[in-house]
Amino acid sequence: SQTIHQWPATLVQPVGSPLSLECTVEGTSNPNLYWYRQAAGRGLQLLFYSVGIGQISSEVPQNLSASRPQDRQFILSSKKLLLSDSGFYLCAWSGGPEGLYEQYFGPGTRLTVT
Amino acid sequence: KQEVTQIPAALSVPEGENLVLNCSFTDSAIYNLQWFRQDPGKGLTSLLLIQSSQREQTSGRLNASLDKSSGRSTLYIAASQPGDSATYLCAVESWGKFQFGAGTQVVVTP
Repeated sequence: SQTIHQWPATLVQPVGSPLSLECTVEGTSNPNLYWYRQAAGRGLQLLFYSVGIGQISSEVPQNLSASRPQDRQFILSSKKLLLSDSGFYLCAWSGGPEGLYEQYFGPGTRLTVT
Repeated sequence: KQEVTQIPAALSVPEGENLVLNCSFTDSAIYNLQWFRQDPGKGLTSLLLIQSSQREQTSGRLNASLDKSSGRSTLYIAASQPGDSATYLCAVESWGKFQFGAGTQVVVTP
């Protein structure tokens, strides 16, 4: 069966510090991978979307970036965090042998920028 | 641009009542619609996926319908239980990308 991992679970970082969040998927190959941010009491905002290694689409202009160095690894980064980067970050994957785009989510990372 | 709306934003019902959650979308050119559940501080759990060619999908006490032409989906939860308390989100998928509604927060009181 497929499993998606995210770490760390929680993170407190000062303004201006770098960020690296990691997501890995097990049990599938060539998945579509996604990074979302969820602000308190709000819906999910798609940040990045990847259909393959090195293929990243950015949905929202910001100081965040994403990379996909391996088929099942997706990394969210920032060189200098802003207060507005605080939120709940969720990684997800979709795809499958029948091409159904059912989406599955990781447990999330709670980021607080101080 | 696709817009997804969920009404109501919050709902409180006594245990045993049926729940009806609504999701509407502006662009009917979708491939799939998916319903999720989110518990506080947790990730999203997939409940049901309805393909665009389907009218409904059922899993246990859950039933979801889809009317593409009118841009609507409804999630029914029969005989609600306190454990059903959570936020429910719908998402529409086109070309591998998902657009989410803001969710309906449900409280089921014992």
